[in-house]
Amino acid sequence: GAVVSQHPSWVICKSGTSVKIECRSLDFQATTMFWYRQFPKQSLMLMATSNEGSKATYEQGVEKDKFLINHASLTLSTLTVTSAHPEDSSFYICSAITGQENYGYTFGSGTRLTVV
Amino acid sequence: GQNIDQPTEMTATEGAIVQINCTYQTSGFNGLFWYQQHAGEAPTFLSYNVLDGLEEKGRFSSFLSRSKGYSYLLLKELQMKDSASYLCAVRDTGGFKTIFGAGTRLFVKA
Repeated sequence: GAVVSQHPSWVICKSGTSVKIECRSLDFQATTMFWYRQFPKQSLMLMATSNEGSKATYEQGVEKDKFLINHASLTLSTLTVTSAHPEDSSFYICSAITGQENYGYTFGSGTRLTVV
Repeated sequence: GQNIDQPTEMTATEGAIVQINCTYQTSGFNGLFWYQQHAGEAPTFLSYNVLDGLEEKGRFSSFLSRSKGYSYLLLKELQMKDSASYLCAVRDTGGFKTIFGAGTRLFVKA
């Protein structure tokens, strides 16, 4: 079946640096991808909807200048956490609609970001 | 506003049956999903309901009542590997945006 590949699985970075997370659709084209963040023992919180060839749609309260999303092709969306701070440490996960499973989400494997 | 409620934790015994409830109040509704998530991993699809009634899929069943804003996930013949978080999620109308509940952590004991 269709797979969403996300890299890296985990990353540790210093405060003030930027980190890029990639989300790729394998064997299918994803015009739309979704980026979520999940803090320990909490729900998945939608950050933004990534649209191929156009600007991302950010949820209320999410800083678009801090969380840069680029969806330049039908198979790749990237999330860049700029000037990372310890409070940005979280589990970031992308998802796409593959057309399978009643158009539910297929998730990437997630990225554990730790900012020190 | 958007609100999805489900119990925080549940404990059940191996071989037993457990029901995880979910109530929702959302501005739009275009289907309800249940996902399973093991710690540190991505969620995986379990079930989908868009019409009222029961959907059965092996050991898992899911029920929906749209008029009551209510769903439940029923797990039968519990196994230790079923210990995980179970996420109730509602898809909004007009697109594929999906709102997730906080999840119910299920502990299966021997």
